[in-house]
Amino acid sequence: NAGVTQTPKFQVLKTGQSMTLQCAQDMNHEYMSWYRQDPGMGLRLIHYSVGAGITDQGEVPNGYNVSRSTTEDFPLRLLSAAPSQTSVYFCASSSDSYEQYFGPGTRLTVT
Amino acid sequence: AQKITQTQPGMFVQEKEAVTLDCTYDTSDQSYGLFWYKQPSSGEMIFLIYQGSYDEQNATEGRYSLNFQKARKSANLVISASQLGDSAMYFCAMREIMNRDDKIIFGKGTRLHILP
Repeated sequence: NAGVTQTPKFQVLKTGQSMTLQCAQDMNHEYMSWYRQDPGMGLRLIHYSVGAGITDQGEVPNGYNVSRSTTEDFPLRLLSAAPSQTSVYFCASSSDSYEQYFGPGTRLTVT
Repeated sequence: AQKITQTQPGMFVQEKEAVTLDCTYDTSDQSYGLFWYKQPSSGEMIFLIYQGSYDEQNATEGRYSLNFQKARKSANLVISASQLGDSAMYFCAMREIMNRDDKIIFGKGTRLHILP
């Protein structure tokens, strides 16, 4: 049982480049979410999904797109990377009402 | 307005003492859940404890307990007999479920330092 997996672990992008952060879970959880963590800011919700085919914006959605075509996968797309998107990104999943299971995180640097 | 407020950016506590980490929340929902997570320097998020809004008793998990005061909208984490390994960032979070919406929002965290 792998839990929540994220790839890549580290990424360096140039300003303006696009990329997709991958997230997958094997626990059949309906709820999945993406957070970014910046020093002093805690975890801020970017986008979330309550099931396949359904996505919604969180607190800081600008500059990011998501889709949820399957229960297992919830990729996060950076359309045109900016230095302000330098952060650690966490993907998480959960069942109906209990704890979220977090992936190990992706450390992204945009130069 | 912040949904989750953690007013202590940092705390220093002597080993073996009990420590209380503060968390207040803001919601108009009747049904919600409150969580605490620990993030050590290695970076992973570790679930500690959960309290549902309808739970009548305070949640406990080993040395962790959640002091839930619904009327005051507070959900403080109490760690008894602190250990050096408790040094970490601690995050309070709230899950609200309204209609189709289902969000989990985190506070900014408290950095706890346990002193030998």
